[in-house]
Amino acid sequence: NAGVTQTPKFQVLKTGQSMTLQCAQDMNHNSMYWYRQDPGMGLRLIYYSASEGTTDKGEVPNGYNVSRLNKREFSLRLESAAPSQTSVYFCASPGQNTGELFFGEGSRLTVL
Amino acid sequence: EDQVTQSPEALRLQEGESSSLNCSYTVSGLRGLFWYRQDPGKGPEFLFTLYSAGEEKEKERLKATLTKKESFLHITAPKPEDSATYLCAVPRLVILGSQGNLIFGKGTKLSVKP
Repeated sequence: NAGVTQTPKFQVLKTGQSMTLQCAQDMNHNSMYWYRQDPGMGLRLIYYSASEGTTDKGEVPNGYNVSRLNKREFSLRLESAAPSQTSVYFCASPGQNTGELFFGEGSRLTVL
Repeated sequence: EDQVTQSPEALRLQEGESSSLNCSYTVSGLRGLFWYRQDPGKGPEFLFTLYSAGEEKEKERLKATLTKKESFLHITAPKPEDSATYLCAVPRLVILGSQGNLIFGKGTKLSVKP
């Protein structure tokens, strides 16, 4: 039982390149979330998916797109990466009754 | 605007030296307050949820308490393995399916020296 799995763990991009971060959860949860974490800023919500087939913007959605591929998988895409998107990205999924968030190990992205 | 503020930013303790971390919040109707622990290079790990003023929860050397304006994470006789960043968070919305939409504080980095 892996919980929340993210790939890749590390990535270096050049400005303007695109890439997709993948997230999968094996807990049969309905909703999934993408956060970014920056020094001095704390964790901020990018996008979330309340259920399969739905997505909604969070606090900092600009420059990102998401896809809820099925109940297990939720991907985050950077179409044209910018240095300001250098960050650690976390995928998370809340327990159905408790609301506690289960986080993945993070994807560390550097945009040069 | 809903806000979560944690203090201090960093705390250095000697092993066995008890202390407290603070999380103050301003939200329009508290729907729970969460504490997480984050180790370097890892994702946050859930510790506690508190829902009402006066509530307390304990886990090993940690005890979380809640008042109407703030929460405290008390660490009793800490050990080096308690070194981590501690985050608190409150829910932003109550819309179905958005219970993971949290406002996080910036965290307190705790270092416990042997």
